[in-house]
Amino acid sequence: AQTVTQSQPEMSVQEAETVTLSCTYDTSESNYYLFWYKQPPSRQMILVIRQEAYKQQNATENRFSVNFQKAAKSFSLKISDSQLGDTAMYFCAFITPNDYKLSFGAGTTVTVRA
Amino acid sequence: GAVVSQHPSRVICKSGTSVKIECRSLDFQATTMFWYRQFPKQSLMLMATSNEGSKATYEQGVEKDKFLINHASLTLSTLTVTSAHPEDSSFYICSATPRTSNSNQPQHFGDGTRLSIL
Repeated sequence: AQTVTQSQPEMSVQEAETVTLSCTYDTSESNYYLFWYKQPPSRQMILVIRQEAYKQQNATENRFSVNFQKAAKSFSLKISDSQLGDTAMYFCAFITPNDYKLSFGAGTTVTVRA
Repeated sequence: GAVVSQHPSRVICKSGTSVKIECRSLDFQATTMFWYRQFPKQSLMLMATSNEGSKATYEQGVEKDKFLINHASLTLSTLTVTSAHPEDSSFYICSATPRTSNSNQPQHFGDGTRLSIL
């Protein structure tokens, strides 16, 4: 069974600063995919970034980037130049090609302060 | 981009009522749809996997007679909460996977339904 662990329930960051969210996972699979989803107060689930396990290069989407450490089974998200609109709950998620079910972490609530 | 529509967004009803929630993929065919339940400040909990043309697969602990799922077409899945009680009050979210998708393609989520049972 796959498990996803987000050890930071809440984080606060000053506007324009950088914040890093941690995520670790456990799996015996060698091929899998990792995602970060954002859920703002509207509760809509928004895909932030995704990473294929077979790709060594860390994914980047504008101000969002990941640090993917396959050996350590770690997949952290860095939000640079934080904006007020980044305030949301962030979920790390995992999926394998053999199973279309997403495994979610418990989530990290990020609050960006003006 | 791929869009999933979920309806209604909010429903308030009396205890004992059955409530139907619809999840539609608007611009793609979805062989598989997923239904989640989310409590405040918690993660999404998968309730069941809805497969077009076949019976849904329920996660352990989810009552299939309580939460009826129908996936009659490639663009529509419905979740019916039967004889709803206050403890069924929650936020329900659906997601869909395009028919030709690889698992590296993300699931597309509906906007959720806030269900309140009085």
